[in-house]
Amino acid sequence: GENVEQHPSTLSVQEGDSAVIKCTYSDSASNYFPWYKQELGKRPQLIIDIRSNVGEKKDQRIAVTLNKTAKHFSLHITETQPEDSAVYFCAASGPGGSYIPTFGRGTSLIVHP
Amino acid sequence: DTGVSQNPRHKITKRGQNVTFRCDPISEHNRLYWYRQTLGQGPEFLTYFQNEAQLEKSRLLSDRFSAERPKGSFSTLEIQRTEQGDSAMYLCASSLGSGSEYRPFGQGTRLTVV
Repeated sequence: GENVEQHPSTLSVQEGDSAVIKCTYSDSASNYFPWYKQELGKRPQLIIDIRSNVGEKKDQRIAVTLNKTAKHFSLHITETQPEDSAVYFCAASGPGGSYIPTFGRGTSLIVHP
Repeated sequence: DTGVSQNPRHKITKRGQNVTFRCDPISEHNRLYWYRQTLGQGPEFLTYFQNEAQLEKSRLLSDRFSAERPKGSFSTLEIQRTEQGDSAMYLCASSLGSGSEYRPFGQGTRLTVV
C-alpha cells in the first residue's frame, strides 16, 4: 500500500518568515495530494490540493509543488502569521488504494509573533 | 450545518465496556469513511462504505470493531471490550463517488478509555 513520509515533525518560525513542509510517497499510481490543517481540538480541514498532472498550485500565501519523478511534494507558506500555527498533514491517494488518502504523520508549525 | 456530523463529541468509558459512535454524512454523499487519529499521528484509515456496502477494512480494524451503514445514510462504529489503546479521536468523512476529492471530515469523537 501507499506510504507517506512527512518532514519535519516540528517547525518553528518567526512571523513573516516562510515555512516549507515536505512529503514523499511510495505508490507511483497516486495522483491526488491534499494538504490539511488541524488546529488544536478541531477536525483536519483541507487547505490546498494538487493533482498529478500539475506541477505547482498557488492560493494566496500557500503553494504546493509536486515532483512526480522523485515522488515528493511540498507545502510552502509565505509571510507566516501566528494564526498559521497548527498541525499540517499531507496525504496521497490514487487508484492503487481505492482513492482513500494515506496521511503523513503531521508537522507542528509554530509561528512566533 | 450541512456538513459531516458525529456524535458524541466526547466519550469516557471504563476498560471492558462497549461504545458506539455515530456519523451522519453529507446527505448526497454515497461514500463514508472512518479514520482513527492518535496523538502525534495523522488520521489512519479504518474502513469505508459505498452506500450500505462495507467495501474495505484496514488491518487496524480488529475483531472488536464493527461498523455498519444499514440504509446507506448514517453509520455507526462500535468497539467492544474497550482497551486503553483504543483511546483516540475517531473521525468520519464522506464523499460523492470514488474519485471525488471533496471529502470533509466530521468534528470527530474523542474516546478516552480509563
